[in-house]
Amino acid sequence: SAVISQKPSRDICQRGTSLTIQCQVDSQVTMMFWYRQQPGQSLTLIATANQGSEATYESGFVIDKFPISRPNLTFSTLTVSNMSPEDSSIYLCSVAPDRYQPQHFGDGTRLSIL
Amino acid sequence: DQQVKQNSPSLSVQEGRISILNCDYTNSMFDYFLWYKKYPAEGPTFLISISSIKDKNEDGRFTVFLNKSAKHLSLHIVPSQPGDSAVYFCAASNQAGTALIFGKGTTLSVSS
Repeated sequence: SAVISQKPSRDICQRGTSLTIQCQVDSQVTMMFWYRQQPGQSLTLIATANQGSEATYESGFVIDKFPISRPNLTFSTLTVSNMSPEDSSIYLCSVAPDRYQPQHFGDGTRLSIL
Repeated sequence: DQQVKQNSPSLSVQEGRISILNCDYTNSMFDYFLWYKKYPAEGPTFLISISSIKDKNEDGRFTVFLNKSAKHLSLHIVPSQPGDSAVYFCAASNQAGTALIFGKGTTLSVSS
């Protein structure tokens, strides 16, 4: 399966600031996704990162808060904007080589907002 | 509205015995189901999956059973090992490879 690297692995940020999380894959993949796992909760899909076009966001998530880029088939970024303590979560990217294969996840970015 | 439910937050099993983790879903459009294992400070690791056209899939010590009429699936681990201690997530999608809906997870503890 693909090797997925996320940076940073963790960060502590001030309220009102923004952080960009990077997801790098060692092979070209069709599908990339961004998830959030809030403390004690399950994983929730934020958006599907589409190469060459705007990301597709799930209900409750908006582009102004979580802008996503996907410039090519191996790389994507998620920005968490104007952060508040409620944004403290683990953010994970996942990839699926094609629609008939399971998603594989990076190790996540642990984000704490003070 | 939780579409994928794991009603047991935790499960404790002795080494060598069977572990059975359960998952229920409500959306009849789901046709692809997966189990992931997660260790602290790591991302979820894919374990095993099953398509809705099957009722059983086996991979080594891991077997997943799907009961479509009951909208229920289970993961059997035989024999259980201490290294299996982790959080197990059930997930579902309506097309393989697209967005996954996750349950809240079950923490499995295997004691030696």
